Amino acid sequence: AQSVTQLGSHVSVSEGALVLLRCNYSSSVPPYLFWYVQYPNQGLQLLLKYTTGATLVKGINGFEAEFKKSETSFHLTKPSAHMSDAAEYFCAVSGEYGNKLVFGAGTILRVKS
Amino acid sequence: EAGVAQSPRYKIIEKRQSVAFWCNPISGHATLYWYQQILGQGPKLLIQFQNNGVVDDSQLPKDRFSAERLKGVDSTLKIQPAKLEDSAVYLCASSLDNYNEQFFGPGTRLTVL
Repeated sequence: AQSVTQLGSHVSVSEGALVLLRCNYSSSVPPYLFWYVQYPNQGLQLLLKYTTGATLVKGINGFEAEFKKSETSFHLTKPSAHMSDAAEYFCAVSGEYGNKLVFGAGTILRVKS
Repeated sequence: EAGVAQSPRYKIIEKRQSVAFWCNPISGHATLYWYQQILGQGPKLLIQFQNNGVVDDSQLPKDRFSAERLKGVDSTLKIQPAKLEDSAVYLCASSLDNYNEQFFGPGTRLTVL
């Protein structure tokens, strides 16, 4: 069965600082990997996804993530945090059963001015 | 293109009462999903429909939860009777088919007192 572990339920960064949100996965098949963002009282919005090909994936709002098979990781980064990035971020994996998504517990990102 | 619509947005009920949620997916999307998101956790898939047939309901508590998608478009999720632990956000998502990106609605926040 597939699973996702997000290290750190809360991450706090200063505005302009690097954002790093960690995600490790477990999968018995080649995984498809996703990062979603959820703003308060809203649904999930896809930031980026990895399916096949290039392991460095660029998404919306300046975010990117790198698939590292040897480390079973898919960490999310952004060079410079903005106040508008404050939200909850979810890493997810699929591939074992079509596009059925298995989510991590989420990381709340706080951006300090 | 209109997104996934859900109603109501908020619902407060007493335990042992019944409640129903409604979802209207993106036009043309054959696959519809219901997720339960408990505070502090990632979304968990409850049920997946392909047109009006159930693809996966392995995590649906069938003694109290039911869902239908009679005409392969709109869907309703019902809880009867509700328990305190059912307090959560219920997210609906849709996709073109079982192998494409899921688009999420804003969710219904249920509070069971």
